[in-house]
Order: sequence, then structure tokens, then C-alpha cells
Amino acid sequence: AQSVTQLGSHVSVSEGALVLLRCNYSSSVPPYLFWYVQYPNQGLQLLLKYTTGATLVKGINGFEAEFKKSETSFHLTKPSAHMSDAAEYFCAVSDYGATNKLIFGTGTLLAVQP
Amino acid sequence: NAGVTQTPKFQVLKTGQSMTLQCAQDMNHNSMYWYRQDPGMGLRLIYYSASEGTTDKGEVPNGYNVSRLNKREFSLRLESAAPSQTSVYFCASAGRGGETQYFGPGTRLLVL
Repeated sequence: AQSVTQLGSHVSVSEGALVLLRCNYSSSVPPYLFWYVQYPNQGLQLLLKYTTGATLVKGINGFEAEFKKSETSFHLTKPSAHMSDAAEYFCAVSDYGATNKLIFGTGTLLAVQP
Repeated sequence: NAGVTQTPKFQVLKTGQSMTLQCAQDMNHNSMYWYRQDPGMGLRLIYYSASEGTTDKGEVPNGYNVSRLNKREFSLRLESAAPSQTSVYFCASAGRGGETQYFGPGTRLLVL
């Protein structure tokens, strides 16, 4: 069975500082991995995804993530935080079969301090 | 292009009442999903429909039923609402396997 673990339910950074949100996964097959962002009172929006190929994936708003098979990790980073990055971030793994079901982590709430 | 739409946006029910949450997508996607979001638990899959005419249980199906009315529409029904069903409900759709799931804006449900 697939699962996702997000370390740190709350992360606080200063504006301009590095953002690092951690995600580890468990999967018996090569995974498809996703990061979604949720702004207050909104639905989820895709930040980036890894399916195959290049292990460093770039997404929207300056975010990127690196798939590391040996560490079963897919951590999300951004070099310089902006106030508008304050949101909840979810890592997810897909079974990529016909059902395309997603298994989500419990989320990390990012606060950005001025 | 509306993407995924959900109605209603908010709903308050009394225990034992029934209601149907509506979801529609205009992206010609085959697959549709219903999730619930609870604090500290992420999103959990209630039911999904891999294609028109098929539905399957997800992680937390108890107390819910679904109908894939056509390719565009996928409804979620609570036959007898319970306080434990207070949550935010999201509908999503996707094309082929591995493709991105697109989410609706959510329905906030409070069961008293």
C-alpha cells in the first residue's frame, strides 16, 4: 500500500528565507508524486508533479522538488519565501493506474513572518 | 472554462437529514473523485469513478453514496447525516492515469 508522511504540521519562516517542506513516501511501485497548495478557503492547486524523467521538478511560483528514490523523499523547496506563500501544502502519491487515486499526506501549514 | 464546480458552497444540516452534493467538470475527464478534508488528516478519498458508469469505494465510504450521472457529473449523497460528517468536501477530476487531478472549490458542511 502507498502512504505519504509530511514531517512538520506547521513551519514558520521569515520573508526571504529558504522554504523546505518535507515529504517521504512509501510505494511498492515507481510512484507518481505531487505537491498541491491550498490557500485559505479555497480548493487545491497543483504546484508540481513528478512522473518520470528528470528528478528535479520545477513548479509554479518558484517552487521545486527533487525525487530521491534512495531516500524515498520528495521535499519541496523555494529559495526565498514571500508573504503570498503562506498556505497549506500537501504532498501526494498516485497509483497511476486506471483509477489514478491519490494518497495525501496530512499537510504542512506554512507561515511567513515579515 | 469553469473547470470543476461544486454546489452548494455551504450547508448546515441537522442530524438525520439527507442532502446531495453536486459536482460537474467541463474538461472531458474520465475520472472523478470525492474527498473529505478534516483538520490534521489531510484529504481522504470517499468514492471515485474511474469512468462513466463505474463507481468504487475509497478509504472512508461509510455513510455516503455516489452517482456518476454522466461523464460530466458526479454527486455525493448523505442519506442520514451525522455530526461526524461535518467536514469540507472536495470533488476532483482527472484524465488518464498519472495525470493531474483538478479540484473544485469545496463544500463546507456542518451537521448539528
